[in-house]
Amino acid sequence: AQSVTQLGSHVSVSEGALVLLRCNYSSSVPPYLFWYVQYPNQGLQLLLKYTSAATLVKGINGFEAEFKKSETSFHLTKPSAHMSDAAEYFCAVSGGQAGTALIFGKGTTLSVSS
Amino acid sequence: DGGITQSPKYLFRKEGQNVTLSCEQNLNHDAMYWYRQDPGQGLRLIYYSQIVNDFQKGDIAEGYSVSREKKESFPLTVTSAQKNPTAFYLCASRASGSSYEQYFGPGTRLTVT
Repeated sequence: AQSVTQLGSHVSVSEGALVLLRCNYSSSVPPYLFWYVQYPNQGLQLLLKYTSAATLVKGINGFEAEFKKSETSFHLTKPSAHMSDAAEYFCAVSGGQAGTALIFGKGTTLSVSS
Repeated sequence: DGGITQSPKYLFRKEGQNVTLSCEQNLNHDAMYWYRQDPGQGLRLIYYSQIVNDFQKGDIAEGYSVSREKKESFPLTVTSAQKNPTAFYLCASRASGSSYEQYFGPGTRLTVT
């Protein structure tokens, strides 16, 4: 069965610092992997996705993630944090029921201080 | 603009009452999903539908019901049997043949007292 673990429910960085949000997955089949962002009281917005093409995936707002099969990881990074990056971030893997539903991690809240 | 709409944004009900949450999409997507979000628990799948007139239970379907009479619409009813209905509810859709990414509506925050 597929599963996702996000390490760290809360990450705090200073403006301009590197952002690193960790995600490890478990999947019995080659996975599709996703990162979503959620601002307070809003829906989820797709940041980026891995679909077995390039292992380094670039997304919106300067975020990128690297798929590492040997480590079963898909960590999200951004070289320089901005105040507007403060939000909750969810990692998700495909292959849930009937192969279409996504399985989400519990989320990581990113705080950015000035 | 194409997208998913959920209404209302905030909903308040008394315990013991059924309540229906609306979800409409104009993306022409075949599959639609309902998730429940509680603080620190991520998103949990309630129901999903891959085609009109067909739907399947997710991980936490007890106390909920759905219908899919039209491709564009996938309403969720929270029944009085749901023991802890206060939560943020998110609707999503997915295009057939896509690489599984889902598009989300803005959510409905339900408070039951």
